[in-house]
Amino acid sequence: GQQLNQSPQSMFIQEGEDVSMNCTSSSIFNTWLWYKQEPGEGPVLLIALYKAGELTSNGRLTAQFGITRKDSFLNISASIPSDVGIYFCAGHVTSGTYKYIFGTGTRLKVLA
Amino acid sequence: GAVVSQHPSWVICKSGTSVKIECRSLDFQATTMFWYRQFPKQSLMLMATSNEGSKATYEQGVEKDKFLINHASLTLSTLTVTSAHPEDSSFYICSARSHPGASGKTLAYNEQFFGPGTRLTVL
Repeated sequence: GQQLNQSPQSMFIQEGEDVSMNCTSSSIFNTWLWYKQEPGEGPVLLIALYKAGELTSNGRLTAQFGITRKDSFLNISASIPSDVGIYFCAGHVTSGTYKYIFGTGTRLKVLA
Repeated sequence: GAVVSQHPSWVICKSGTSVKIECRSLDFQATTMFWYRQFPKQSLMLMATSNEGSKATYEQGVEKDKFLINHASLTLSTLTVTSAHPEDSSFYICSARSHPGASGKTLAYNEQFFGPGTRLTVL
């Protein structure tokens, strides 16, 4: 099935460092979302973006909806060990179907 | 926030048996529920979209006779894996889309809330 391209695929960083990941698509999306998934659990919504150019923060997380509506990025500032997990972007395809297309995921490991 | 539960959280079964997985929205009504499959170290792949009171819409390549979906109420959808085989072993995750205003809560329209997943192992 269709997937969004997400990069990097994995990251190993030191505690306290900032993290940046992005998601790109060949298609336009109306909504971009960022989720975090921990092992053996379902994804948990971190940030939802509804307008092109929108920049939204949630604590140490900041995400932006690209102007072209084909990309989005997520930044995590001052990473802590509990930030470990897999981060997925998701695009909302069209208003009619309500389907999400998920990115390939970025696996984050934080070294204390 | 909105809570979605899944039952069971894990199941082990013999090849050839059928397994039913339940997805419930606990504190809101969900007009639409989605079923995803996730293999180890991979992303979530949408299997089907389930609308209350109507037939599910399956994604290309997903066998509707193999994965039976029933969405009998605004708070419950079930996925039955029929005649399961080892290659059906996977992590199955459901999500529910909020029905605006139905629960009395202010939930973002179109937002999907995910269940905790069900790990299926077929021996």
